[in-house]
Amino acid sequence: GQQLNQSPQSMFIQEGEDVSMNCTSSSIFNTWLWYKQDPGEGPVLLIALYKAGELTSNGRLTAQFGITRKDSFLNISASIPSDVGIYFCAGQIQGAQKLVFGQGTRLTINP
Amino acid sequence: DTAVSQTPKYLVTQMGNDKSIKCEQNLGHDTMYWYKQDSKKFLKIMFSYNNKELIINETVPNRFSPKSPDKAHLNLHINSLELGDSAVYFCASSYGLAGGFSYNEQFFGPGTRLTVL
Repeated sequence: GQQLNQSPQSMFIQEGEDVSMNCTSSSIFNTWLWYKQDPGEGPVLLIALYKAGELTSNGRLTAQFGITRKDSFLNISASIPSDVGIYFCAGQIQGAQKLVFGQGTRLTINP
Repeated sequence: DTAVSQTPKYLVTQMGNDKSIKCEQNLGHDTMYWYKQDSKKFLKIMFSYNNKELIINETVPNRFSPKSPDKAHLNLHINSLELGDSAVYFCASSYGLAGGFSYNEQFFGPGTRLTVL
């Protein structure tokens, strides 16, 4: 079935570093969402994007809806230990009712 | 206050048994979902209900039967459990289509970890 390509699959960084991850697809998307999942919890919505080219921030997080509508990225600036977790991109393909999710990026931070 | 709640949090059962997972949301949303997350953390939608009506039914075995008694509740019943059903099941909710773009902003419950022995 349709799947987003999310990269990288995992990241090991030092506290204070900036982080960047992205998702791409061969299909056009109407919506891009970024979620974070902590161990033993459900995904929590971080940022929602609805327009091509849109750039939205939420604290140290910044996400963009790609101009081609086939990709999105998420940046985290000045990482802190509580940023550890799995980050998922999700999107609604044009004409579809459901969301499809990327495979996730597992972020590990060394203090 | 819990927005999307699921019970139980953990479920350990024998192969062949029948079990149910319950979900409730107090966000006033019209649409609810069931997702399955496998051991590799891949999230895949199973079902979606909008105002108690089934609108998404992915390729899921007939042993899985969702039921929505009202728009705030969506339960999942699984018959004849198999080893491959072991996973974490997430309930989620969002505004209905009348919510405009926010229809896509889904809020997830804490998950139910199902282990079939």
